[in-house]
Amino acid sequence: EDKVVQSPLSLVVHEGDTVTLNCSYEVTNFRSLLWYKQEKKAPTFLFMLTSSGIEKKSGRLSSILDKKELFSILNITATQTGDSAVYLCAVGYNTNAGKSTFGDGTTLTVKP
Amino acid sequence: KAGVTQTPRYLIKTRGQQVTLSCSPISGHRSVSWYQQTPGQGLQFLFEYFSETQRNKGNFPGRFSGRQFSNSRSEMNVSTLELGDSALYLCASSLEGAINQPQHFGDGTRLSIL
Repeated sequence: EDKVVQSPLSLVVHEGDTVTLNCSYEVTNFRSLLWYKQEKKAPTFLFMLTSSGIEKKSGRLSSILDKKELFSILNITATQTGDSAVYLCAVGYNTNAGKSTFGDGTTLTVKP
Repeated sequence: KAGVTQTPRYLIKTRGQQVTLSCSPISGHRSVSWYQQTPGQGLQFLFEYFSETQRNKGNFPGRFSGRQFSNSRSEMNVSTLELGDSALYLCASSLEGAINQPQHFGDGTRLSIL
């Protein structure tokens, strides 16, 4: 059975801290790894990673994929209270288009 | 461009009833996927439709069904509702499916079963 495991499950930090969220996976027909941010409503897309070792960056957020060790990390530097959310990791497949398998998410709380 | 629209936003039903949820994808998107989100199980894939055909199905009982119309709008139906069906139901759309494009999610329908 396909598995996507995120750690830690929850994290509390103070504004200005740097955090690293982890996502490991065991799936067949892996195509891509995706990160989403979910606040109160819809998950919003952050990154899609398909190649190992290439860092994707957007402002204070960055992510990288290791296809050999089957994991990805999401880094957030200089955290702000607006970064408080559930961060979801998902894998996409080569053959099962339209399906993504999600991890349980990491709940990040950033305190002022 | 308008985002993914799900209706209704909230729904309260009782055990044994049935329910239909609706999802209008982003204009031009042909793939629509449905997910169930619960605190205990996270986001679980239900099924995906592309060009009016179900392409993929998750591990849910036959009480969960769906369809897609020619304009790519999709509906999900749950029959004989059970207490455990209480969840946030999310719909996501993409151009061709989640192979090379990320999915865009709607705000979900919160279903409560009494």
